[in-house]
Amino acid sequence: GDSVTQMEGPVTLSEEAFLTINCTYTATGYPSLFWYVQYPGEGLQLLLKATKADDKGSNKGFEATYRKETTSFHLEKGSVQVSDSAVYFCALSASNSGYALNFGKGTSLLVTP
Amino acid sequence: DGGITQSPKYLFRKEGQNVTLSCEQNLNHDAMYWYRQDPGQGLRLIYYSQIVNDFQKGDIAEGYSVSREKKESFPLTVTSAQKNPTAFYLCASRASWDRVSEQFFGPGTRLTVL
Repeated sequence: GDSVTQMEGPVTLSEEAFLTINCTYTATGYPSLFWYVQYPGEGLQLLLKATKADDKGSNKGFEATYRKETTSFHLEKGSVQVSDSAVYFCALSASNSGYALNFGKGTSLLVTP
Repeated sequence: DGGITQSPKYLFRKEGQNVTLSCEQNLNHDAMYWYRQDPGQGLRLIYYSQIVNDFQKGDIAEGYSVSREKKESFPLTVTSAQKNPTAFYLCASRASWDRVSEQFFGPGTRLTVL
């Protein structure tokens, strides 16, 4: 079945450091891929998405490119801020369950001043 | 403002009791979903609904029930049959029945069994 694997955290970075969170997926067909962010005690917010191969999603300085050849959707940001501290989830939409999202386990990011 | 509301924010239940979690959306979305989140885990699908009066089981439906009598409402009942119900519950909706639309999430309900 479809699945998402993302790097385990926690990840601790200093402010202005470069961020990469790895995400790879297994899916039949052509899924859409998403990154969501969750702040403590809150629901999830969409960060970015890509719906076909070679698409690049971007938002708030974050970027991820849909790589079909490596089945990857790594999240990157050139210079993180303290306010980026949160849990990040990679997900794909699964056609076999009403396009529900299939999530990775999440990566906790802590950015220190 | 359009969005998804979940209530209550915190819920405490005694063992053996059924409890119902509310989810309402005013986004005019057709599809709605319930997920469960445990510490250090991703979200797992409990139930989903693509249209009024229709819903399907997700990966972990045992011990849960839902209804979809109105487009804007998708309540989740956690029954006494759910062996380990303490978790964070998230409701979501999306506009259309295709793979590209993103889901919008509510703020969640944290359920604790005493």
